[in-house]
Amino acid sequence: AQSVTQPDIHITVSEGASLELRCNYSYGATPYLFWYVQSPGQGLQLLLKYFSGDTLVQGIKGFEAEFKRSQSSFNLRKPSVHWSDAAEYFCAVGPLMNRDDKIIFGKGTRLHILP
Amino acid sequence: NAGVTQTPKFQVLKTGQSMTLQCAQDMNHEYMSWYRQDPGMGLRLIHYSVGAGITDQGEVPNGYNVSRSTTEDFPLRLLSAAPSQTSVYFCASKYRGPNTEAFFGQGTRLTVV
Repeated sequence: AQSVTQPDIHITVSEGASLELRCNYSYGATPYLFWYVQSPGQGLQLLLKYFSGDTLVQGIKGFEAEFKRSQSSFNLRKPSVHWSDAAEYFCAVGPLMNRDDKIIFGKGTRLHILP
Repeated sequence: NAGVTQTPKFQVLKTGQSMTLQCAQDMNHEYMSWYRQDPGMGLRLIHYSVGAGITDQGEVPNGYNVSRSTTEDFPLRLLSAAPSQTSVYFCASKYRGPNTEAFFGQGTRLTVV
């Protein structure tokens, strides 16, 4: 069965610093990977997604993620964070082909920004 | 452009009461699902549906019922609320297929006392 691990529950970075949030997945085939962001009191919003092709994908709000098959990772990065990036971030893996449509989420990483 | 609409946004129940959380989407998505979000637990799938008349259990289905009589609506019923069901509930919808993104409602914060 597919699964997602986000090793860091909390991450704190200073405003203007670079950011990397880690995500590891377990999947039986070519993975379909997503990063979502949840601002306080809000629902989840898609940041970016990887299905195939270029392993470096660009998303909204200046985020990018790199798919590394050899490491089973899909880490999220941003060169310079802004205070408004403080939120919870979820990595997710899509369903296996020809199976159910369930998206499996990691437990999330809460990002704190220091002024 | 409503997307996924959940009602109510907040609810307080007494133990043993029943209620229905409403979810509606206007994107003609075949797939709809309910998650609960608890601190440190991420999002856990309660029930899901791949089309009208078809529902199935997710990871944590006990204590919840669903039905899908139309493409647009996917209500979640709590038959006899328990304090363990205190949580934030999210409805999500998407097109079928592995490479489709999910769209989420704003959530319902439920407290059972």
